[in-house]
Amino acid sequence: AQSVTQLGSHVSVSEGALVLLRCNYSSSVPPYLFWYVQYPNQGLQLLLKYTSAATLVKGINGFEAEFKKSETSFHLTKPSAHMSDAAEYFCAVSDGGATNKLIFGTGTLLAVQP
Amino acid sequence: KAGVTQTPRYLIKTRGQQVTLSCSPISGHRSVSWYQQTPGQGLQFLFEYFSETQRNKGNFPGRFSGRQFSNSRSEMNVSTLELGDSALYLCASSPGQGGHNEQFFGPGTRLTVL
Repeated sequence: AQSVTQLGSHVSVSEGALVLLRCNYSSSVPPYLFWYVQYPNQGLQLLLKYTSAATLVKGINGFEAEFKKSETSFHLTKPSAHMSDAAEYFCAVSDGGATNKLIFGTGTLLAVQP
Repeated sequence: KAGVTQTPRYLIKTRGQQVTLSCSPISGHRSVSWYQQTPGQGLQFLFEYFSETQRNKGNFPGRFSGRQFSNSRSEMNVSTLELGDSALYLCASSPGQGGHNEQFFGPGTRLTVL
């Protein structure tokens, strides 16, 4: 069965600092992996997705993630945090096959300090 | 293109009542999925519809049901509401089926059960 684990339910960084949000996956098939962001009282917005085309995936708002099969990881990074990045971030893995079902991690709440 | 819309945005119900939530997908999208988001359980998959057929169902009691219409709009129904059903219900649409597809989320319906 597919699953994802997000290490750190809360992460705090200073404005301008590196953002690193961790995600490890478990999948019995080559995975499709996603990072979503959720702002307060809103739905989820896709930041980026890995579908095996390239291991380094660039997304919106300056975020990127690297797929590392040997480490079963898909960590999200951004070189320089901005106040507007404060939100909750979810890593997700597709359940595989012909389904659109996503299995989400527990989320990481990112705080950005001025 | 208009995004995924969900109505109503907020609902307050009492225990034992039933509720129907509506989701209109992005034009041209034929797949609709539903998720429940709670602080304790996180994001959990409810069901997935494609071309009016339920393709996948999560681990929820039979009180939770859904359907999809020929125009791809979807509704979900919860009968005999319990306090634990209080949650944000998110709908996501996708152009097709398969884990590689991006899913576009609506803003959610916030259900409060008193």
